[in-house]
Amino acid sequence: DAGVIQSPRHEVTEMGQEVTLRCKPISGHNSLFWYRQTMMRGLELLIYFNNNVPIDDSGMPEDRFSAKMPNASFSTLKIQPSEPRDSAVYFCASSLGLSGYSYEQYFGPGTRLTVT
Amino acid sequence: AQSVTQPDIHITVSEGASLELRCNYSYGATPYLFWYVQSPGQGLQLLLKYFSGDTLVQGIKGFEAEFKRSQSSFNLRKPSVHWSDAAEYFCAVGARGYGGSQGNLIFGKGTKLSVKP
Repeated sequence: DAGVIQSPRHEVTEMGQEVTLRCKPISGHNSLFWYRQTMMRGLELLIYFNNNVPIDDSGMPEDRFSAKMPNASFSTLKIQPSEPRDSAVYFCASSLGLSGYSYEQYFGPGTRLTVT
Repeated sequence: AQSVTQPDIHITVSEGASLELRCNYSYGATPYLFWYVQSPGQGLQLLLKYFSGDTLVQGIKGFEAEFKRSQSSFNLRKPSVHWSDAAEYFCAVGARGYGGSQGNLIFGKGTKLSVKP
């Protein structure tokens, strides 16, 4: 299996622009997670989906952030408008489910976002 | 609320020396526990996990961890460190099936490991 795929790997944009990060989970996994990692705040869970349905978005920092999962093989995280404080590495992870041995999450390589 | 504490931000060990990375958790029941490793510029890779049963669990790359309920700890160990083990290590706890939090993993802040030649 190719693992979790994220694109782009690097994104540099100017403040105020829209940014869309993409994620393809491992085939057969039905849970998908978006995380943000910064030096100051560490690894933060932003939102997660189960069977394409958002379960908990309490970690989404503000209304500028939105996430969708239109089908089992694709998810997007959008920031509009972007701000310099959004600069971070954004990780997508997937797992077989939410309980038991399916708790194990597999992480993608991340998207490094820089907002100038 | 669940939480994970990794008290050591940065540890340096000599190659060939033993290693122990500390992790303490706060959770009301028996938790799911994980250790992940992150190499520079990479995503997180699972090293090992504890769900139940034997409290000493073996993982990849020669790592092991021991669950101690009385101490609320899940420390990671390796008898002999290799230079390639230099990375950041994250401990995480997962909730068991309570409503919207049942899919969540709570991560510690991480411990950065440096290895001296």
